[in-house]
Amino acid sequence: GQQVMQIPQYQHVQEGEDFTTYCNSSTTLSNIQWYKQRPGGHPVFLIQLVKSGEVKKQKRLTFQFGEAKKNSSLHITATQTTDVGTYFCAGRDTGNQFYFGTGTSLTVIP
Amino acid sequence: NAGVMQNPRHLVRRRGQEARLRCSPMKGHSHVYWYRQLPEEGLKFMVYLQKENIIDESGMPKERFSAEFPKEGPSILRIQQVVRGDSAAYFCASSHGPRGFFGPGTRLTVL
Repeated sequence: GQQVMQIPQYQHVQEGEDFTTYCNSSTTLSNIQWYKQRPGGHPVFLIQLVKSGEVKKQKRLTFQFGEAKKNSSLHITATQTTDVGTYFCAGRDTGNQFYFGTGTSLTVIP
Repeated sequence: NAGVMQNPRHLVRRRGQEARLRCSPMKGHSHVYWYRQLPEEGLKFMVYLQKENIIDESGMPKERFSAEFPKEGPSILRIQQVVRGDSAAYFCASSHGPRGFFGPGTRLTVL
């Protein structure tokens, strides 16, 4: 079945350092979404990528969708303590099913 | 337009009791997904439902767990004869288009 893996599972960075999480799917995706979950909270939608090779930016966050539409990455430049949380990718196939990645938990050390 | 509603937010049950978790999707949303999140872990898919239909229940344990999304009313995730290992946060999400909206979750504690 469909599998979406994320690496790393955990990442500790000093405030100001960059951070990247990678998402890999076993099959081709129609689109990919990214969510952020703060400790104790629920996942909140960040962005959706649809096109092969697409790159989108939200302030310090850069999202990329691979050419083969099987992988994606989220890069945060100059992390801040407000970036703390778990970042999930969610791939969608041609149906309506979301396949969530395992998540990357980000800790930012002040 | 209210967001996805889940209740109760916190639920405490003793081993062997039943737990009923409710999810009201956003208005106009016909797709509901249930996920379980164990402490310090990711979201594990459980079941995907549309009105009166279970589309994909491949993530549901074969025993004690069931889900429904009736024509009227909220979606219900039911756990019979709960065990300590069922303690987790249960999130539902609804969608109508490409984006998923998550509810605040129900945190189930089994004593």
